Amino acid sequence: DGGITQSPKYLFRKEGQNVTLSCEQNLNHDAMYWYRQDPGQGLRLIYYSQIVNDFQKGDIAEGYSVSREKKESFPLTVTSAQKNPTAFYLCASSKGQGGADTQYFGPGTRLTVL
Amino acid sequence: GQNIDQPTEMTATEGAIVQINCTYQTSGFNGLFWYQQHAGEAPTFLSYNVLDGLEEKGRFSSFLSRSKGYSYLLLKELQMKDSASYLCAVMDSNYQLIWGAGTKLIIKP
Repeated sequence: DGGITQSPKYLFRKEGQNVTLSCEQNLNHDAMYWYRQDPGQGLRLIYYSQIVNDFQKGDIAEGYSVSREKKESFPLTVTSAQKNPTAFYLCASSKGQGGADTQYFGPGTRLTVL
Repeated sequence: GQNIDQPTEMTATEGAIVQINCTYQTSGFNGLFWYQQHAGEAPTFLSYNVLDGLEEKGRFSSFLSRSKGYSYLLLKELQMKDSASYLCAVMDSNYQLIWGAGTKLIIKP
């Protein structure tokens, strides 16, 4: 059964700590994305990757970092430099073959900073 | 700047029809997507329009007018499980998705 998994579903962090959110897909998709969702706002793009070993900053990359060492995996690290990290984080993937691709989403990770 | 507008919240009755509107101003246009998102869950893909007109898919239909920068999602024969947020997103000239804040649809018996 193909899909996208994110773990954990809920995550609590103390201020000043880095935390890494996992995203794995077995859809054989080339492109992967990280979004942040806050109440009353549209999804905002943090980082995206069109191919292994390459990634680009989105609109709100400050305070976040990513890696893309494997096609299936695109972990997101929320660093202590991110001033307001409490949010719902969504990972997505698409075929990434150029053009207008449909993005498919994982179940999300809700991060709360205590 | 780029902007997607959709109503914050709508209420409808089970069995009825509801239309959720979306207007947009973006740098270029490579299609418009509608997603459904139940509370605390992932958005799921509903439809994609790139040409003007109506696309029908079961109880859901989506309409696009590129000249007016306007789309709507039409839901027929509403069921309680249709209670969710509906997200409108436009793909811009760089093939990046620009998202609206979503419309929360409440279905009453």
